[in-house]
Amino acid sequence: SSELTQDPAVSVALGQTVRITCQGDSLRSYYASWYQQKPGQAPVLVIYGKNNRPSGIPDRFSGSSSGNTASLTITGAQAEDEADYYCNSRDSSGNHLFGTGTKVTVL
Amino acid sequence: EVQLVQSGAEVKKPGESLKISCKGSGYSFTSYWIGWVRQMPGKGLEWMGIIYPGDSDTRYSPSFQGQVTISADKSISTAYLQWSSLKASDTAMYYCARRGQLADWYFDLWGRGTLVTVSS
Repeated sequence: SSELTQDPAVSVALGQTVRITCQGDSLRSYYASWYQQKPGQAPVLVIYGKNNRPSGIPDRFSGSSSGNTASLTITGAQAEDEADYYCNSRDSSGNHLFGTGTKVTVL
Repeated sequence: EVQLVQSGAEVKKPGESLKISCKGSGYSFTSYWIGWVRQMPGKGLEWMGIIYPGDSDTRYSPSFQGQVTISADKSISTAYLQWSSLKASDTAMYYCARRGQLADWYFDLWGRGTLVTVSS
């Protein structure tokens, strides 16, 4: 199916590690990119390709993929990482797909 | 500075037409695809469509095909999203975003968004 599914919400203790997953058939063929969106702000790209970070994105953010699942891992979560996170990929028809989004709470 | 600057917030009535804009600067506007993304209040991101300003090649999400029109004027480095007859359900924030040039598809530069409110 041409859908990307994410868990609605996850929580992580300050300084701990959290993994956010994105599932979809298209991920067997294409990499996901990941976006962080804080309230009232535009999304920001944090991971793209196999595991690439744009300039300015901390190295605590990393990406991986296996089968139909892509993952974004935050190692040593900080208070400023509290945000909504969306995955994005493409399907075989050339359409972009966004995941359903995950709200990350840092405790 | 590399940026996408979007037009300001709009308040419209149902049935009215609207065209919002996204102006690129600081990079070669004609060499990157520009996508449009909808975010309804309290909801997630939805890809609407994308245009290549170099030749105006345009693709639409099946969900938005026929509902909106995407265009670009490369002479002024500006992409557009337009509606011919707005509905209340078009109330949302609309973002434009530049797609990166690598083979992997991703949006590496985003505008701040244009809030469209449709209400009678």
